[in-house]
Amino acid sequence: KQEVTQIPAALSVPEGENLVLNCSFTDSAIYNLQWFRQDPGKGLTSLLLIQSSQREQTSGRLNASLDKSSGRSTLYIAASQPGDSATYLCAVNKGAQKLVFGQGTRLTINP
Amino acid sequence: GAGVSQSPRYKVAKRGQDVALRCDPISGHVSLFWYQQALGQGPEFLTYFQNEAQLDKSGLPSDRFFAERPEGSVSTLKIQRTQQEDSAVYLCASSEWTASSGNTIYFGEGSWLTVV
Repeated sequence: KQEVTQIPAALSVPEGENLVLNCSFTDSAIYNLQWFRQDPGKGLTSLLLIQSSQREQTSGRLNASLDKSSGRSTLYIAASQPGDSATYLCAVNKGAQKLVFGQGTRLTINP
Repeated sequence: GAGVSQSPRYKVAKRGQDVALRCDPISGHVSLFWYQQALGQGPEFLTYFQNEAQLDKSGLPSDRFFAERPEGSVSTLKIQRTQQEDSAVYLCASSEWTASSGNTIYFGEGSWLTVV
């Protein structure tokens, strides 16, 4: 059974810092991996999607990497801003149309 | 509409009551998904539709849970004889094609169910 773990569960940093969120998964046979953002009381917004054949994806200040062999992905956020405060979730897709999510990292950026 | 729309946004049900949660996916999206998210946890897969066909219902926790998408657009998740452990946010999502093709998945804001 695929398990997805995110560390840390919560993170609080001052504005302007660069930071890294970690995601690990137990089964490397995946189609893709996605990072989502969830604001309180809201649904999920897709940030980045990395196909299994790719090593990384970038969007603005966000960069996500994927190392399938070690079962790891990282989300790098550059020059963090208070508006980046949210819960960040990673999810792997093994096919069969279902995503398996981690528990999320609750990020707080302090002004 | 521009996004995935869910209703009701909030529902308080007495234990034993039946509830129905509605999802309007983005127009034209083939794939529709239901997920359950308990407080402080990541979402967990419930079921998947490709058009009107329910291709995977392996995540439905019991036979009290039933989902349908009769015309391949709007979907309803029904929970019969609700129990306290059913309290969660129920998220609907849609994508243009299949999830494994790498299409972006769009989530609604969820239906927050509290069973008292």
